[in-house]
Amino acid sequence: DQQVKQNSPSLSVQEGRISILNCDYTNSMFDYFLWYKKYPAEGPTFLISISSIKDKNEDGRFTVFLNKSAKHLSLHIVPSQPGDSAVYFCAVLNSNSGYALNFGKGTSLLVTP
Amino acid sequence: DAGITQSPRHKVTETGTPVTLRCHQTENHRYMYWYRQDPGHGLRLIHYSYGVKDTDKGEVSDGYSVSRSKTEDFLLTLESATSSQTSVYFCAINHRASYEQYFGPGTRLTVT
Repeated sequence: DQQVKQNSPSLSVQEGRISILNCDYTNSMFDYFLWYKKYPAEGPTFLISISSIKDKNEDGRFTVFLNKSAKHLSLHIVPSQPGDSAVYFCAVLNSNSGYALNFGKGTSLLVTP
Repeated sequence: DAGITQSPRHKVTETGTPVTLRCHQTENHRYMYWYRQDPGHGLRLIHYSYGVKDTDKGEVSDGYSVSRSKTEDFLLTLESATSSQTSVYFCAINHRASYEQYFGPGTRLTVT
C-alpha cells in the first residue's frame, strides 16, 4: 500500500506564475520529508526538505509547507521558470530501512513560456 | 557533486542471464542504496547497505542480491534476469550531515 501519494500525475503552469505540487502521506510517525527533481536520463536531485518540527521551509524560489494534522505537504515554486519543467518526487524518511526514502509516484511539471 | 558513478549506464541482456550493476562512491559514505524506477511507481528500494558486508532488503528485493566488500563499492546482482526487471536502476548515498540522499546517474537495463 502506497505510503506517499502524489495524486496529480501532471501539472502545467505559465512562466512567472506559481507552481504548487502536492503530496499526502499515510503514517503520522513520519518525521522528515523531502522533494526531489528529476530530468530525463538523469538521477533525481535533492531540492528541499522539512522536518516535522517545522511547518515551512524556504530556499530561494522553493518553499515547502507541512500540515501534520492533514498529513499533507506541498511544494511551491515562485516564480516558475521553463527550466523547472521536470518530474518532482515527494519522499519521506523511512527510519526502519536504514534511512531509506519512500517515494511518491511523481508529478510531471511543465512550465510554458 | 556527490561523487557517485554507476556502470554500465546502459545494458541489454537476455532473459536468464546474470547481470551485475556497480555503484562507486568517492566520499566514504556509510549508507548506500539501490532503487529502481518504473513508470507509475516512482522509485522503490531494492536493497541497502549500512557498512562493509552489512546489507538488508528493501521493498522489492526478490530476484536481487547485493554485496559490499569495500566502502566505496555497492554491487547489485540479478542472478537470472527476467523481463520484469527491465527498469532504470539508481544508486544513492546518504549525506553525512543530514538525511538527504544523493543519486547516481542511473543504469538503464533492458531484459529481452
